[in-house]
Amino acid sequence: KQEVTQIPAALSVPEGENLVLNCSFTDSAIYNLQWFRQDPGKGLTSLLLIQSSQREQTSGRLNASLDKSSGRSTLYIAASQPGDSATYLCAVRGNYGQNFVFGPGTRLSVLP
Amino acid sequence: EAGVAQSPRYKIIEKRQSVAFWCNPISGHATLYWYQQILGQGPKLLIQFQNNGVVDDSQLPKDRFSAERLKGVDSTLKIQPAKLEDSAVYLCASSSSNEQFFGPGTRLTVL
Repeated sequence: KQEVTQIPAALSVPEGENLVLNCSFTDSAIYNLQWFRQDPGKGLTSLLLIQSSQREQTSGRLNASLDKSSGRSTLYIAASQPGDSATYLCAVRGNYGQNFVFGPGTRLSVLP
Repeated sequence: EAGVAQSPRYKIIEKRQSVAFWCNPISGHATLYWYQQILGQGPKLLIQFQNNGVVDDSQLPKDRFSAERLKGVDSTLKIQPAKLEDSAVYLCASSSSNEQFFGPGTRLTVL
């Protein structure tokens, strides 16, 4: 059974810092991995989707990497802004028609 | 393109009452998901539809939860009777291939 963890659970940084969020999964037989952002009281917004054959994906100030063999993905946020404050969740989809399994999320606060 | 629509946005009921949530996915998306998100946790899949057929409902508490997707478009999720531990946000998502798109969710409070 796939288990997904995210470290740290919460992170507070000053504006302008570069930061890394971590996602770990127990079963490396994955189909893809998706990073989401969730603002308080809102649904999830897709940030990046990495297929199992890819090593990384980039969108603006965001870069997500995937290392299947070690069961890890990282989300790198460059030059953080207060508007980046939200909870970031990763979700892993298994190879054999399995559905997404979500991590518990990392709550990010970027201080002005 | 319009996103995933859900209603109501908020619902407060007493335990043992019934409640229903509605979801309209992105047009053309064959796959529809219902998730339960308890405060401080990631979403947990309740049920997945492919068109109007159920693909995975292994985590749906079938003694009290039911869902349908008539005509393969919009979907309803029902809880009957509700328990205190059902207090959560119920999220609907849809996809056409690999990527999921989520609605705003329905926040349910059971008193």
